Amino acid sequence: AQTVTQSQPEMSVQEAETVTLSCTYDTSENNYYLFWYKQPPSRQMILVIRQEAYKQQNATENRFSVNFQKAAKSFSLKISDSQLGDTAMYFCAFMAYNDMRFGAGTRLTVKP
Amino acid sequence: EAGVAQSPRYKIIEKRQSVAFWCNPISGHATLYWYQQILGQGPKLLIQFQNNGVVDDSQLPKDRFSAERLKGVDSTLKIQPAKLEDSAVYLCASSLKRGGGLAGYEQYFGPGTRLTVT
Repeated sequence: AQTVTQSQPEMSVQEAETVTLSCTYDTSENNYYLFWYKQPPSRQMILVIRQEAYKQQNATENRFSVNFQKAAKSFSLKISDSQLGDTAMYFCAFMAYNDMRFGAGTRLTVKP
Repeated sequence: EAGVAQSPRYKIIEKRQSVAFWCNPISGHATLYWYQQILGQGPKLLIQFQNNGVVDDSQLPKDRFSAERLKGVDSTLKIQPAKLEDSAVYLCASSLKRGGGLAGYEQYFGPGTRLTVT
């Protein structure tokens, strides 16, 4: 069974600085997808960034980028130039054969 | 493009009562998911529909939970009778299709329904 581990329950960062959220997963599959979702206090889950396992190039979306290490089964999220609006829960998710598994989440607080 | 709609946003019931949640997915999305998110945890899949057929309900407590997706569009999730441990946020999500590359797998979430069982 696939499992997703986020080892940092809480993190904080100063506005305009950079922060990295960790995620590891366990799977025997070779083809899968990885996602980072953001869940602000309003509860709406918003897709931040996604990565296909067969692509070696790390995905980037504006201030958000990932460090995907397939051999190490690691998928970390880097947020550059942190903004107050980035304050939220961040969930790492793994999908194979349309079966999505989420990590327990990391609560990120951006401080002014 | 309208997002995933859910109602109600909040519901408070007593244990042993019944409750129903409604979800309207993004137009054209064939796959619909119901998740349970207990406070402090990530979402856990309860049931997945492909059009109006059930694809995966292995984690649905079938003695008290039921779900349907008539006509392959809207869906309802019901709990009867509710227990204290059912207190959670119930999230509905939809995706375009099962296959067809990464874009088909991306799930779009609704705002959720927060259920409190007292």
